[in-house]
Amino acid sequence: DGGITQSPKYLFRKEGQNVTLSCEQNLNHDAMYWYRQDPGQGLRLIYYSQIVNDFQKGDIAEGYSVSREKKESFPLTVTSAQKNPTAFYLCASSIGTAESNYGYTFGSGTRLTVV
Amino acid sequence: LAKTTQPISMDSYEGQEVNITCSHNNIATNDYITWYQQFPSQGPRFIIQGYKTKVTNEVASLFIPADRKSSTLSLPRVSLSDTAVYYCLVGDIRSYIPTFGRGTSLIVHP
Repeated sequence: DGGITQSPKYLFRKEGQNVTLSCEQNLNHDAMYWYRQDPGQGLRLIYYSQIVNDFQKGDIAEGYSVSREKKESFPLTVTSAQKNPTAFYLCASSIGTAESNYGYTFGSGTRLTVV
Repeated sequence: LAKTTQPISMDSYEGQEVNITCSHNNIATNDYITWYQQFPSQGPRFIIQGYKTKVTNEVASLFIPADRKSSTLSLPRVSLSDTAVYYCLVGDIRSYIPTFGRGTSLIVHP
């Protein structure tokens, strides 16, 4: 089945550590996104990429970094500069062209906790 | 990007029809209206999308008046498993980056 796979499902980070969240899709989608969700809140955009080797900052990019070396993969690194990283992280993808009206496909998320 | 307003929460009972309305007064000509459903600790899931009038699928119906300044998601005969957060998104699907507000938290009671 086609879809988006996020790993790990749960991740614990010590203060001062960098951690990388994985996001892989086999939908052949051009665009990929990373969102952060805090309890009782909506989703906030961290970074997005509309094509390989290109990405743009979203609303809350500080303390995060991404890469897009392959169409299928869009890993997110939470750096030590992110002061409050405990949250639920969601990756999404979309075709990115006018041919699809069906919006965005999301992964099942990674819950990051700072210990 | 069109700003949307929807109720923070709603309560219903099993078997009832639920209607969630979203206001989007500054919707643009190329904008579509899309609704997503999110269960706790999961990613949002596409429910339905429309441009005007009425759209129906196996899960829900979407009603859009002629002026397109609002839309109503209708869930027929809800069950406990419909308890979730519902998001209304408005934008040009070809070019916009989706912005998810707080959505509407629907709680279905036995």
